[in-house]
Amino acid sequence: DIVLTQSPALAVSLGQRATISCRASESVRSSMHWYQQKSGQQPKLLIYGASNLASGVPARFSGSGSGTDFTFTIDPVEADDIATYYCQQSRNDPLTFGSGTKLEIK
Amino acid sequence: EVQLVESGGGLVQPGRSLKLSCLASGFTFSNYGMNWIRQAPGKGLEWVASISSSSSYIYYADTVKGRFTISRDNAKNTLYLQMTSLRSEDTALYYCARIAARARGVMDAWGQGASVTVSS
Repeated sequence: DIVLTQSPALAVSLGQRATISCRASESVRSSMHWYQQKSGQQPKLLIYGASNLASGVPARFSGSGSGTDFTFTIDPVEADDIATYYCQQSRNDPLTFGSGTKLEIK
Repeated sequence: EVQLVESGGGLVQPGRSLKLSCLASGFTFSNYGMNWIRQAPGKGLEWVASISSSSSYIYYADTVKGRFTISRDNAKNTLYLQMTSLRSEDTALYYCARIAARARGVMDAWGQGASVTVSS
């Protein structure tokens, strides 16, 4: 199975840039996707195919990378962005998720 | 508006069975593959099972293979997960999620989840 590694937490000031990384144990090409999960809510798709913004998602969110190293960025961070962010790969079965990065406000 | 509403969760003893349902609305259910994803309390997301739009292709995580069965009824716009021989480690919030069209493995809509607790 492909293992996705994310840092557990990140603290950022409002209005600043938040950058979350996800490293895959083997190449997933561009089959990396990002989800936001707010407390008590279901996950929401933000980015698919490494860099494509999902429908209705603000342009403050972006993604980049290919192969094994991926980055998810929020710029600028707003108070409503407090959540856990998960990367997920669909290159190989089974689908796997990173362990999530909890975004906190400084 | 796309909606997915899970039901059927609850408290069940180890070794017993439970069947989850996911009622879809706001889109043509029969055109989309579907996933079940679960999240243990305080933990991350785990893919459980997938089914293609016409039920031709079905896949399971190794952790549930042989115990869980995913199915769908396109006439009723409903996805199911039959869970048998439940274990404590199956305790989780179970989400149904729609697989995006032309984007393999991308889940573009999620339900609110059904809570399953396996305990004696």
